[in-house]
Amino acid sequence: NAGVTQTPKFQVLKTGQSMTLQCAQDMNHNSMYWYRQDPGMGLRLIYYSASEGTTDKGEVPNGYNVSRLNKREFSLRLESAAPSQTSVYFCASSESGTGSYSSYEQYFGPGTRLTVT
Amino acid sequence: LAKTTQPISMDSYEGQEVNITCSHNNIATNDYITWYQQFPSQGPRFIIQGYKTKVTNEVASLFIPADRKSSTLSLPRVSLSDTAVYYCLVALYSSASKIIFGSGTRLSIRP
Repeated sequence: NAGVTQTPKFQVLKTGQSMTLQCAQDMNHNSMYWYRQDPGMGLRLIYYSASEGTTDKGEVPNGYNVSRLNKREFSLRLESAAPSQTSVYFCASSESGTGSYSSYEQYFGPGTRLTVT
Repeated sequence: LAKTTQPISMDSYEGQEVNITCSHNNIATNDYITWYQQFPSQGPRFIIQGYKTKVTNEVASLFIPADRKSSTLSLPRVSLSDTAVYYCLVALYSSASKIIFGSGTRLSIRP
């Protein structure tokens, strides 16, 4: 099992350009998440998807859109990149059920390092 | 929204026991407390999880007092490879949209 995979690993954009970060998991998890991590900071939740067909905003959703393409894939799109979106982006997945989200172990991908100039 | 609070950094020596405390005053009744470890240029990795009292696994122990407003991660006999950032995670108000990672504690282990 590959676990959680992310593409690309690195990306440099100019201000105003758009791009999509891809994430896929092979653990048959229902829930998927996108986080950003700024240098020296903790992780902040951008969007999450509790199950296929549903998406919801996290703590810092502005400037981003997401698509839960199917159970395996969850993409993050930057429509018009800004320097403030320079960060490392992590995708994660977990099982889900009737319990609290914090009760389910999250499995993280290796991250995408994005620089916006 | 009250966030979790952890010490920014801690130093210790190989072979010592290290305790890292996280405060989460607004934890919801059915929320769990989960700790993750992160090495440079990698995604976080699960260490341990608990709801109340004490939980122990092969790498760590987690102590949670009765009021659950804080938790303490205990790493026994640390080694150089335990140098990493440690995050505690709760989902305040039992909603994924309120998942909060603490700011993390940068643990440095010296020989």
